[in-house]
Amino acid sequence: DSGVTQTPKHLITATGQRVTLRCSPRSGDLSVYWYQQSLDQGLQFLIQYYNGEERAKGNILERFSAQQFPDLHSELNLSSLELGDSALYFCASSRGDRGPTYEQYFGPGTRLTVT
Amino acid sequence: AQSVTQLGSHVSVSEGALVLLRCNYSSSVPPYLFWYVQYPNQGLQLLLKYTTGATLVKGINGFEAEFKKSETSFHLTKPSAHMSDAAEYFCAVSDGTGGADGLTFGKGTHLIIQP
Repeated sequence: DSGVTQTPKHLITATGQRVTLRCSPRSGDLSVYWYQQSLDQGLQFLIQYYNGEERAKGNILERFSAQQFPDLHSELNLSSLELGDSALYFCASSRGDRGPTYEQYFGPGTRLTVT
Repeated sequence: AQSVTQLGSHVSVSEGALVLLRCNYSSSVPPYLFWYVQYPNQGLQLLLKYTTGATLVKGINGFEAEFKKSETSFHLTKPSAHMSDAAEYFCAVSDGTGGADGLTFGKGTHLIIQP
């Protein structure tokens, strides 16, 4: 158990809909990262937040957005869903975002199926 | 831009044999390097990392990896394979000096252990 929690574990929805994925980082971790894992694209970094502020962006679509709240949990919002958005979405957390102790701990993931 | 190449999408070894999973990276700055393991239907677990200091790093479950700057490699080894090592292994790189980015992952290597 990494200490990172994600809900829900599974999500099935229809095309065109909007969903929200939730992540709670490990106690004391300030950084939250979101990743997408799919068969064709592999593991891709989407976005990072550090202590409530957006810190880095990866291959995140404009239909997707995220935020980190004062209690440091994060939500990933996916809208206008397409079949190709079906994937595993992982959240990871780290204490900081650089330095010799830098490492990311991953949650169990949310499996999104768009029908 | 960073990139990671994992040679061999599938590697098969006999139980008790040496495990060698190859990873080469490309980075314009000194990298931070990581190996993660993913068991079916689970999140990613950190095996080991290189950030600074000793280039031979030891991780969990008997795995180790050596950072070779001249070869831009970070290969993962284990002297004696166990059936429980069967899983997907991912090599990842981060821009350690910049800090503010997510991990760039390789496509993964599926390790098969033959009895």
